[in-house]
Amino acid sequence: KNEVEQSPQNLTAQEGEFITINCSYSVGISALHWLQQHPGGGIVSLFMLSSGKKKHGRLIATINIQEKHSSLHITASHPRDSAVYICAVVSSGSRLTFGEGTQLTVNP
Amino acid sequence: DAGITQSPRHKVTETGTPVTLRCHQTENHRYMYWYRQDPGHGLRLIHYSYGVKDTDKGEVSDGYSVSRSKTEDFLLTLESATSSQTSVYFCAISESSGNEKLFFGSGTQLSVL
Repeated sequence: KNEVEQSPQNLTAQEGEFITINCSYSVGISALHWLQQHPGGGIVSLFMLSSGKKKHGRLIATINIQEKHSSLHITASHPRDSAVYICAVVSSGSRLTFGEGTQLTVNP
Repeated sequence: DAGITQSPRHKVTETGTPVTLRCHQTENHRYMYWYRQDPGHGLRLIHYSYGVKDTDKGEVSDGYSVSRSKTEDFLLTLESATSSQTSVYFCAISESSGNEKLFFGSGTQLSVL
């Protein structure tokens, strides 16, 4: 079993829909990253969080340390949100472990 | 955008040849990382550096070596490329360890024939 599991693996939505991507992990962590990989391959950091919730524009990330779970929400989704979303956890020794990613497609 | 550049962007080489990938940063960040990305796997750490001449192995380091002689440059070398090293390679930087924001290069598509 992978230390970091993302669900769903693939997600197709209509423009305007509310999107939720989940990340569950099995190790103790000090922080969690959400990353976005564009269709062209580039990777950008969206959030880094260790507790609670963070919001940036239409994106919201939450984490529940006790339940070992994080969610990334996208409100009012748009076709330009189509990308792969990657969760990564920081565990002992500052080791980063990445999930396999969730492919999101938002249709107009 | 963070100043991080990978070169080359694409490379095709033959089995058994040496290959060097370069990561250059202008952010003066202490930590630099090399990852590979393959279908069915998350990004996997090859090697990382926490300072000039300070490097350590990641989870998939076999067949790879690295060097960091200057803060801004982190080189990844495949001493004798194999087909299993066909992958997309990403360099990343951060100010400190994993608890800081990560910045990624654009990636290098390497094909070993």
